[in-house]
Amino acid sequence: DQQVKQNSPSLSVQEGRISILNCDYTNSMFDYFLWYKKYPAEGPTFLISISSIKDKNEDGRFTVFLNKSAKHLSLHIVPSQPGDSAVYFCAASRRNAGGTSYGKLTFGQGTILTVHP
Amino acid sequence: GAVVSQHPSRVICKSGTSVKIECRSLDFQATTMFWYRQFPKQSLMLMATSNEGSKATYEQGVEKDKFLINHASLTLSTLTVTSAHPEDSSFYICSATRRVSNQPQHFGDGTRLSIL
Repeated sequence: DQQVKQNSPSLSVQEGRISILNCDYTNSMFDYFLWYKKYPAEGPTFLISISSIKDKNEDGRFTVFLNKSAKHLSLHIVPSQPGDSAVYFCAASRRNAGGTSYGKLTFGQGTILTVHP
Repeated sequence: GAVVSQHPSRVICKSGTSVKIECRSLDFQATTMFWYRQFPKQSLMLMATSNEGSKATYEQGVEKDKFLINHASLTLSTLTVTSAHPEDSSFYICSATRRVSNQPQHFGDGTRLSIL
């Protein structure tokens, strides 16, 4: 059972335009969501996260939107740069008891983003 | 920022060999470490959660006798693939987190294991 889904295996965008990566989840117990970027033969690098109490979080060129009713989140990259080309994973987590830390991550399948010069 | 080091980055060995992979947190104490496995073009699948000083918690379907995890200190966890076979060939990645933290998991660069 795939609890976190990224239905687009790939996305191609022109440099300077917006990249929108989508992610859906099924487990309503998830309360913390993250986006990771991964290059081949490397581990994932954390990009941005959002708690379920928010619907938007912005960090520079990266903005994550959360729609809890639809169980959907998206990552917007504006403007897109060729260096953004990588695999992007969304991940979801639940807080541990006490609400002070975060447990294991459930990952989506990833979306390959290619930004053309 | 937090750094997680994973070693070795690549292993090629014969079937039946046992392989040990190390995961170290370099600038923080990691009370919890996670081990993931990634097959080509697929997601990262959690194998087990490793807490310092206690037994690892394995995900359903992961053989604990096959994948031995030791978290002997606050900065080191090891994964040993025992009597490895070609079907164990995969990309193994560890991550680490502090005990009480609102910070995300930090990942190592992974180990590409190839069993001939």
